Amino acid sequence: EAQVTQNPRYLITVTGKKLTVTCSQNMNHEYMSWYRQDPGLGLRQIYYSMNVEVTDKGDVPEGYKVSRKEKRNFPLILESPSPNQTSLYFCASRLSTGYGYTFGSGTRLTVV
Amino acid sequence: SQQGEEDPQALSIQEGENATMNCSYKTSINNLQWYRQNSGRGLVHLILIRSNEREKHSGRLRVTLDTSKKSSSLLITASRAADTASYFCATDKGYSTLTFGKGTMLLVSP
Repeated sequence: EAQVTQNPRYLITVTGKKLTVTCSQNMNHEYMSWYRQDPGLGLRQIYYSMNVEVTDKGDVPEGYKVSRKEKRNFPLILESPSPNQTSLYFCASRLSTGYGYTFGSGTRLTVV
Repeated sequence: SQQGEEDPQALSIQEGENATMNCSYKTSINNLQWYRQNSGRGLVHLILIRSNEREKHSGRLRVTLDTSKKSSSLLITASRAADTASYFCATDKGYSTLTFGKGTMLLVSP
């Protein structure tokens, strides 16, 4: 089944403890992206990648890192999480520009 | 930066009625897309309309695009309770970034 898989689905962590949210797609898509969703703010793009080793900042990249070493994987790294990064995170992928995104099921992160 | 703005923020209708949601945006686009999100779950791509298209249909969905007014509308005909969800428009400028609006919450009552 064609899908984007994120892990974990739920995560509670403490301030400053490094964490990684994994994202993998099995559709051979070129483009991948991370979004965060917050009440009243909608979805905001964190980082995106147009191909292996090609990444760029979205609208809210501060406090996050990404890497794209393989086409299928696009992990989101929080080096030193803070409470303002408590949010619902979505990974998404698409074949190319001009196509729709396939979204993962989301990761609900709470930083205390 | 938020590109699309949906209107209304919330819409409540009865089953069988039509639901219309609008989206306005600010800059030129390559295409505009509509997504559905059931409470807290991942977004699902519904339909994409390119900047040189004016209208597109998919099942009970009808999307229009007016590039001169920088606006789009999504019509869901003969709504069902299962259509209850949030609907988002997203603008695609032709490179990798896709910018979403804040969404319209649709409630369809049996």
